[in-house]
Amino acid sequence: TQLLEQSPQFLSIQEGENLTVYCNSSSVFSSLQWYRQEPGEGPVLLVTVVTGGEVKKLKRLTFQFGDARKDSSLHITAAQPGDTGLYLCAGDTSGTYKYIFGTGTRLKVLA
Amino acid sequence: DVKVTQSSRYLVKRTGEKVFLECVQDMDHENMFWYRQDPGLGLRLIYFSYDVKMKEKGDIPEGYSVSREKKERFSLILESASTNQTSMYLCASSNRKSSYEQYFGPGTRLTVT
Repeated sequence: TQLLEQSPQFLSIQEGENLTVYCNSSSVFSSLQWYRQEPGEGPVLLVTVVTGGEVKKLKRLTFQFGDARKDSSLHITAAQPGDTGLYLCAGDTSGTYKYIFGTGTRLKVLA
Repeated sequence: DVKVTQSSRYLVKRTGEKVFLECVQDMDHENMFWYRQDPGLGLRLIYFSYDVKMKEKGDIPEGYSVSREKKERFSLILESASTNQTSMYLCASSNRKSSYEQYFGPGTRLTVT
């Protein structure tokens, strides 16, 4: 089974700090998605990246897809308590609709 | 507003019981998925379906079966529940038009005692 590893596994920071979450694999992905999951809810899609080197911004969140399409990062600027949640990356290796999910990064932003 | 609903938010069953988890989507999506979510392991795909009556095994199908008799409904069946199937179960749906974004239900937390 292919594995998508995320780091760090846990992150607790103060409001206003910056942070980066990483998603790494030995496999090449045709596309990669980032989701956020809040307690008691299912994951919700934040972004999909498909081109190596692609950078997408969603307000204070910046997503980057690695040049070789094997890794991705999520950077949050000036984190807020509302950013608290579980962040999951998910990669598609075959160009189909089946995504492999990463192990998750649990973020807590303290006011 | 798109919606995926799951029949129960919490479920407690005994070892050996047959368990049915139901998932319904109202978006006319062709693809539906069942995952289990465990701490430190992320989401692992159990089964998925790309059309009515069609199903394929995911990464961890052992101990599970599925049924999709109608497009909007995808059921996960635990034939004989075991304690190692205690987990959070998430259903999702997707289609080509939405670039295969997966829409998830709220999850069913199953405890097998």
